[in-house]
Amino acid sequence: AQSVSQHNHHVILSEAASLELGCNYSYGGTVNLFWYVQYPGQHLQLLLKYFSGDPLVKGIKGFEAEFIKSKFSFNLRKPSVQWSDTAEYFCAVKGKSNTGKLIFGQGTTLQVKP
Amino acid sequence: ETGVTQTPRHLVMGMTNKKSLKCEQHLGHNAMYWYKQSAKKPLELMFVYSLEERVENNSVPSRFSPECPNSSHLFLHLHTLQPEDSALYLCASSQGPSSTDTQYFGPGTRLTVL
Repeated sequence: AQSVSQHNHHVILSEAASLELGCNYSYGGTVNLFWYVQYPGQHLQLLLKYFSGDPLVKGIKGFEAEFIKSKFSFNLRKPSVQWSDTAEYFCAVKGKSNTGKLIFGQGTTLQVKP
Repeated sequence: ETGVTQTPRHLVMGMTNKKSLKCEQHLGHNAMYWYKQSAKKPLELMFVYSLEERVENNSVPSRFSPECPNSSHLFLHLHTLQPEDSALYLCASSQGPSSTDTQYFGPGTRLTVL
């Protein structure tokens, strides 16, 4: 079955701490990968995406993610978080041959303490 | 950002009511989507439209009826809903339905079925 698993449901960090959010997927084929973020009171917006090429992709606001094909993983990282990074983060996959269907993980709530 | 708007933002309805959710995108996109976000569950794709034609119906009950009169507007008509249908309904749009097209989301309609 196609699925996305985000291991951490709720993460609490202090400012300047490093962040890594796990994402693993199960999909019978090649995929495109996405991280979306939802800040409090705002709509979902794209943080970064991976289609092909360099498996380390950089997104907005200093975020990056690494695609490790052998581990079916696409973990999100940031070296030093800020209070403004407090948000909910969603990993999603879409099959390269699949029209439109994004499959989302359950989301990880990140709380950054000032 | 007002690329994708949704109305109403909140809706409370009884099980015998008929109501409609509206989505409008101002991005010149050709594909539109409905998603359902229930508490503690991943976002679930409901419907995909491309150039006003439905290209995916993700096993959604017939009490949810989508309509896409043009590429800028998408409706979700609701009738005889159940309390378990209470959720956040998100609309999204993308340039096309292909796997590399980024989806842009609206703020959602919070639906409560009594």
